[in-house]
Amino acid sequence: KAGVTQTPRYLIKTRGQQVTLSCSPISGHRSVSWYQQTPGQGLQFLFEYFSETQRNKGNFPGRFSGRQFSNSRSEMNVSTLELGDSALYLCASSLWVGTNTEAFFGQGTRLTVV
Amino acid sequence: QQPVQSPQAVILREGEDAVINCSSSKALYSVHWYRQKHGEAPVFLMILLKGGEQKGHEKISASFNEKKQQSSLYLTASQLSYSGTYFCGTEIPNSGGSNYKLTFGKGTLLTVNP
Repeated sequence: KAGVTQTPRYLIKTRGQQVTLSCSPISGHRSVSWYQQTPGQGLQFLFEYFSETQRNKGNFPGRFSGRQFSNSRSEMNVSTLELGDSALYLCASSLWVGTNTEAFFGQGTRLTVV
Repeated sequence: QQPVQSPQAVILREGEDAVINCSSSKALYSVHWYRQKHGEAPVFLMILLKGGEQKGHEKISASFNEKKQQSSLYLTASQLSYSGTYFCGTEIPNSGGSNYKLTFGKGTLLTVNP
């Protein structure tokens, strides 16, 4: 079965611009979560979408937003980019079945803001 | 409310055992464990839910002590492939209890040598 696909893999943007990242989950997985990973802050949770609804949210400013489509694909948008937004953005696709939950990460999108 | 992981780093010889701990100052709904190798995306290992339990994944198992707000990851008879950074993620209910905030520890670097 195909894994989690994130596009693009690498991106360079200028301060003030906006960016949209895409995540295609594993077929049958209705939950998609987004994370930011940086050397300084480590791994941080952005938000989780389940059946097109945002279910959980981390502590990020409103510049970070997301959405999920009816086919479970998800997009994450960052507006008015800042240098500090440079990071690896990961998405994970999950099938929540209590303690038998499975989750798989995509390879990430490396965003560089210059 | 970032969970505290200990130790920060551990070096093992192949075949030795290790324990990684994750502690929270808040009541937990669940604990997640992940492993990440350098330059790769994290791999989800397991989730332990409120109610206290222990579960296993090959020679890697974990326990969740709800009273102490702690979880421990046990690596038995370590293999070279176990090397990587291990993260715990803790879910804490948001005020209102309708959803949760997921926060990650800083990670434990595990190195397994031949």
